[in-house]
Amino acid sequence: GQSLEQPSEVTAVEGAIVQINCTYQTSGFYGLSWYQQHDGGAPTFLSYNALDGLEETGRFSSFLSRSDSYGYLLLQELQMKDSASYFCAVKENTGFQKLVFGTGTRLLVSP
Amino acid sequence: GAVVSQHPSWVICKSGTSVKIECRSLDFQATTMFWYRQFPKQSLMLMATSNEGSKATYEQGVEKDKFLINHASLTLSTLTVTSAHPEDSSFYICSARTSGSGEQFFGPGTRLTVL
Repeated sequence: GQSLEQPSEVTAVEGAIVQINCTYQTSGFYGLSWYQQHDGGAPTFLSYNALDGLEETGRFSSFLSRSDSYGYLLLQELQMKDSASYFCAVKENTGFQKLVFGTGTRLLVSP
Repeated sequence: GAVVSQHPSWVICKSGTSVKIECRSLDFQATTMFWYRQFPKQSLMLMATSNEGSKATYEQGVEKDKFLINHASLTLSTLTVTSAHPEDSSFYICSARTSGSGEQFFGPGTRLTVL
């Protein structure tokens, strides 16, 4: 079966660094994406890894280890506006290359 | 960037009625569109995938006779929730994929409340 596990909630203070982990087990793997979703809003694309290693995009970085079926999202210099839910999503390499979303992590940033 | 719109953004209906939700790709042609459902504080669950001009492919456990999907053109897909019941109340989100880059672009979502 398919499963993508994330911690349910993470708390941090402004200016800190936080890492959100994602372990996955899927029938096919093409790449790992990360999305941010504020309450009541649509998911917003943050980052994508198809190969092992670190991808850096401003304050956000994402890491992938295909051999370990593991990835993480690193958020630096946290701001209050970063309080949101974060989802990892596997892009399958079969059929429609659909996205399968993880359980989601709620990040709470406090002053 | 690529923009996907949904209409309506929210809808309230009585139990037993049908509701249609539109998903449009505004500035690109979407060969494939996806429909997701999200309950409060939960993840996005894929309901179905549709290719323009073809029948939709539904995920296991999703009733195709209840959730009718039509992908009539490269810029429009519709989801009709037939005979809606309170348990169908949810946030419905569509996404569209360009044939080139393969990146999915998400719509703003439609909040359905069934009384």
